[in-house]
Amino acid sequence: DAKTTQPTSMDCAEGRAANLPCNHSTISGNEYVYWYRQIHSQGPQYIIHGLKNNETNEMASLIITEDRKSSTLILPHATLRDTAVYYCIVRGVDQTGANNLFFGTGTRLTVIP
Amino acid sequence: DSGVTQTPKHLITATGQRVTLRCSPRSGDLSVYWYQQSLDQGLQFLIQYYNGEERAKGNILERFSAQQFPDLHSELNLSSLELGDSALYFCASSVAGTGASFFETQYFGPGTRLLVL
Repeated sequence: DAKTTQPTSMDCAEGRAANLPCNHSTISGNEYVYWYRQIHSQGPQYIIHGLKNNETNEMASLIITEDRKSSTLILPHATLRDTAVYYCIVRGVDQTGANNLFFGTGTRLTVIP
Repeated sequence: DSGVTQTPKHLITATGQRVTLRCSPRSGDLSVYWYQQSLDQGLQFLIQYYNGEERAKGNILERFSAQQFPDLHSELNLSSLELGDSALYFCASSVAGTGASFFETQYFGPGTRLLVL
């Protein structure tokens, strides 16, 4: 699976958009980009995933560059409850049936009042 | 609420002891995963079960074992506990986890916090 690089920490003002970048320059054609977040020792929470196209759901938007070497998670109107560690994970299909996630160090997002 | 339940929430025990952590997956999910999160290691994958059978193994110690029962709940057994086993243990589940055609979203439980004294 491709390695990801994320900034260690970021701040965002409440109500503003939070843009969290992720580099995955060695991503291969069949690997998905997944985003999870973990709010202070709670279980990681799925946010969104994508392969090639940009994706949007009720939580966030995912923008993947055309060459797929990087992506950005966008929280359109950050709230204090969005303060968490955000993990960008690149994971491909494993023909053995393994489906586990590889978590890195993530980005600690702090939403400031 | 992800639909994945874990018990107990907290566990305090002594070195050398054995404990069992329990996980009930979301209704309909066939795969269960166990992860360990310690302060210095981050989230580490331990093991995956699919419909009662082991599917993938990660950095799981020989002192640790798991199983998935016919009703699909899973237990993680930790024995000969050491101070360094103190961590959060998370269970996750997904619908199939076969990896046959797509990579599935996993839903995590609230975790069990283990403290070994």
